Amino acid sequence: EVQLVESGGGLVQPGRSLKLSCAASGFTFSDYNMAWVRQAPTKGLEWVASISYGGSNTHYGDSVKGRFTISRDNAKSTLYLQMDSLRSEDTATYYCARQTIAALFDYWGQGVMVTVSS
Amino acid sequence: DVVLTQTPPTLSATIGQSVSISCRSSQSLLHSNGNTYLHWLLQRPGQSPQLLIYLVSRLESGVPNRFSGSGSGTDFTLKISGVEAEDLGVYYCVQGTHAPWTFGGGTKLELK
Repeated sequence: EVQLVESGGGLVQPGRSLKLSCAASGFTFSDYNMAWVRQAPTKGLEWVASISYGGSNTHYGDSVKGRFTISRDNAKSTLYLQMDSLRSEDTATYYCARQTIAALFDYWGQGVMVTVSS
Repeated sequence: DVVLTQTPPTLSATIGQSVSISCRSSQSLLHSNGNTYLHWLLQRPGQSPQLLIYLVSRLESGVPNRFSGSGSGTDFTLKISGVEAEDLGVYYCVQGTHAPWTFGGGTKLELK
């Protein structure tokens, strides 16, 4: 059974950093591209970033480019999202998702909440 | 960026009723490789999104066949033939043809 379990969320002040993790199991992690998608409270979904199966290619949404970094450790079957220079508008539930082809997210984690506030 | 406009924003239905959700794109979603990267997701209340339909009309494994997708270019439709209680929630279309990938604003399906 495919499982994606996010961790690392919480309350952080504007301008500070936070690192999210997503532990994957139930599939060969190194065979799949992975992504982060977020959802602000009561809002819709927003693609944040994606990374290729080997980790060499990364892509970002415009709103996080230059501030967020997606990475992975295939030996640990873990996906990461380093979030720097956080803003109030980054407040959201962050989902880890397995990605097969472009924007095709076939499995999702339960999500982790990030609140940016002073 | 590609804008996906979903209509209606809210849909009220009775059990057994057939309903359709529209997703219109600001640009054609036909990729130069011949694929159309338009997919549909359902987010039930309090849950993570789940994949229903991919590449316009392909049913994800385990998804009931009362769900179907159609369309081309800029106009796409998700149809539910006979709504069941478990279908309630918010439906999203998402495109992967043009970077950055974008989601529609969502259509909330509720019971009448």
